[in-house]
Amino acid sequence: DQQVKQNSPSLSVQEGRISILNCDYTNSMFDYFLWYKKYPAEGPTFLISISSIKDKNEDGRFTVFLNKSAKHLSLHIVPSQPGDSAVYFCAAIFPGGSQGNLIFGKGTKLSVKP
Amino acid sequence: KAGVTQTPRYLIKTRGQQVTLSCSPISGHRSVSWYQQTPGQGLQFLFEYFSETQRNKGNFPGRFSGRQFSNSRSEMNVSTLELGDSALYLCASSFRDRSDTQYFGPGTRLTVL
Repeated sequence: DQQVKQNSPSLSVQEGRISILNCDYTNSMFDYFLWYKKYPAEGPTFLISISSIKDKNEDGRFTVFLNKSAKHLSLHIVPSQPGDSAVYFCAAIFPGGSQGNLIFGKGTKLSVKP
Repeated sequence: KAGVTQTPRYLIKTRGQQVTLSCSPISGHRSVSWYQQTPGQGLQFLFEYFSETQRNKGNFPGRFSGRQFSNSRSEMNVSTLELGDSALYLCASSFRDRSDTQYFGPGTRLTVL
């Protein structure tokens, strides 16, 4: 049973516009969430994280929003650039867990068109 | 600082064989985790080692095992390979605590024929 779900396998966005990647989770015990980006033939790279005590975290062009009541988080990329084209994974951690034990979604492939 | 390295990068085996994959973490990192990536299941956690002890284990059969050495290098072993074990196996390392960023290696692509 998938505890972290990314229901959109792919997303296409025009350069300069906003990209919104969504993630839903089923287990309300998760208390820490992360987004990773993955290019082909490379390992995932950490992008941004958010603790469950917050509802927003921002880092440059990347912002993650957390809606605990809806068990939903989203990653906003503004403005989107062609170099952002990659697969984006949402991940979660249980209380007491470490980043060495991540529950991942299946990923969303983002394509940013020039 | 050198990143996480994994060897070999590509591997082809036949059903029933066993395989050992190696991971060298970033210098100073004590936590090493392994993940399996397949198109159908995405990234799934296999196990995590910290200071030579298995700290967490995912939901994989006992054919999948691992260990960590005193220099934090880790190996993962899969015995009696099945076709479904074909995947990208990713290793990741972090310093120690849950707030420490985890860094992934490029992975080992295992193909089982």
